[in-house]
Order: sequence, then C-alpha cells, then structure tokens
Amino acid sequence: DIQMTQSPSSLSASVGDRVTITCRASQGISNYLAWYQQKPGQVPKLLIYAASTLQSGVPSRFSGSGSGTDFTLTISSLQPEDVATYYCQNYDSAPLTFGPGTRVAIK
Amino acid sequence: EVQLVESGGGLIQPGGSLRLSCVASGFTFGSYSMNWVRQAPGKGLEWVSYISRRSSNIYYADSVKGRFTISRDNAKNSLFLQMNSLRDEDTAVYYCAKDRGDNAYLFDYWGQGTLVTVSS
Repeated sequence: DIQMTQSPSSLSASVGDRVTITCRASQGISNYLAWYQQKPGQVPKLLIYAASTLQSGVPSRFSGSGSGTDFTLTISSLQPEDVATYYCQNYDSAPLTFGPGTRVAIK
Repeated sequence: EVQLVESGGGLIQPGGSLRLSCVASGFTFGSYSMNWVRQAPGKGLEWVSYISRRSSNIYYADSVKGRFTISRDNAKNSLFLQMNSLRDEDTAVYYCAKDRGDNAYLFDYWGQGTLVTVSS
C-alpha cells in the first residue's frame, strides 16, 4: 500500500502570509494526488486534483504542484476562512490513502 | 444541488452488525462511482470502500476487508455499507462520498456523515 506523509503536522501563520504544506508518497503516484480542506465541524471539501488542477469554485490563492512522490499545497495569501485541516490523498490505485493532515491556524 | 444523506449509524456492541444507507439526489447517481470514507473522533480521514457505477469494481481498505460489504441500488439512488463483526476501532463518522467520475477515485461531494459507535 502507498503511504502518505505530510509536513508540518500543524502551522500558525499571519493573515496574508504565504503558506506551504508538503505531502510525500511512499512510491511514485504520477500526478494522482488530491488535496482536501476540512474546516472545523464541517465535511471535507475537494480543493485540488491531478496535483495542480483547482476544483471549480476554489479560490485562486490555492495552488498545487508536484509529481511522482513529492507534492505541495500553497496558499498564496492566508485568509481567516482558510483555518482548517488539509489532507492529501493518493488516488493512483486502491487502497486509496490519505495523509495524516496539516492543521492551519491564524497567528 | 448534489445531496447525500446518510443514515443507519448508532451505538452497537463489539461483534454486532449495522447497515448504513446513503440516499443521493441532484445528480445522475448511476453515472458515478461512490465511496465510503470514515473519520474516527478527532482523527484523520480513512477511505473504507469504493464501488463503480455498475458495481463491477469493488474495493475495500484492508482494515474492513471480509467484514464490510458495499452495494448500491441505482434505481433507488442509494448506496449501502453492510458492516459485520464490528470492532471498537470501527467507531467513526461514516461519510458517503461521490466520485468525481467513474473510476476517478476522487471525492467531490460528501454527505454530512452518520456516527457509528462500537462499545460495550
């Protein structure tokens, strides 16, 4: 099974800061990587798929990059509404696996 | 508007069985694969099971293989998860999640979830 790791596990940044979250797969998954946002008390929301394609309706301050084993999610200018836990997901093949999550807070 | 409404959760003793249901609306249910994803209290997301639009491809997480069975009824826009031999570690909110396509393995819409608590 492909294992997903994320770093950092949590971060605190100021409004307007650039925030970067890293996700690593235990083996190459091409670009079969998605990012989800889960705000407190809410269900997860698909942000990005195919490593860098924004899901419809997602603000352009979110971007993704990477291929193979190393991926990043970037928030170009952190907003208060971005407080959430962010998960990466491998969808190269079953079993589908999520990273452990990165909690983003406002400083 | 896409809606996914789960039901069937509750408190169950270890070794017991539950059947979860998810009723879908707002899209052509039979055109999309579907999934169950769970989240233990205060923990991260764990994919549980996948079923293709015509039920021809079914996959399970190793943690539930042999105990859980996914199924669907396209005529009734419904997804099911039969859970047997439940364990304490199965305690979680179970989400019904729509696939972004058929065999996309991406979750673009989620229900609000149903809580399953396994405890004696």
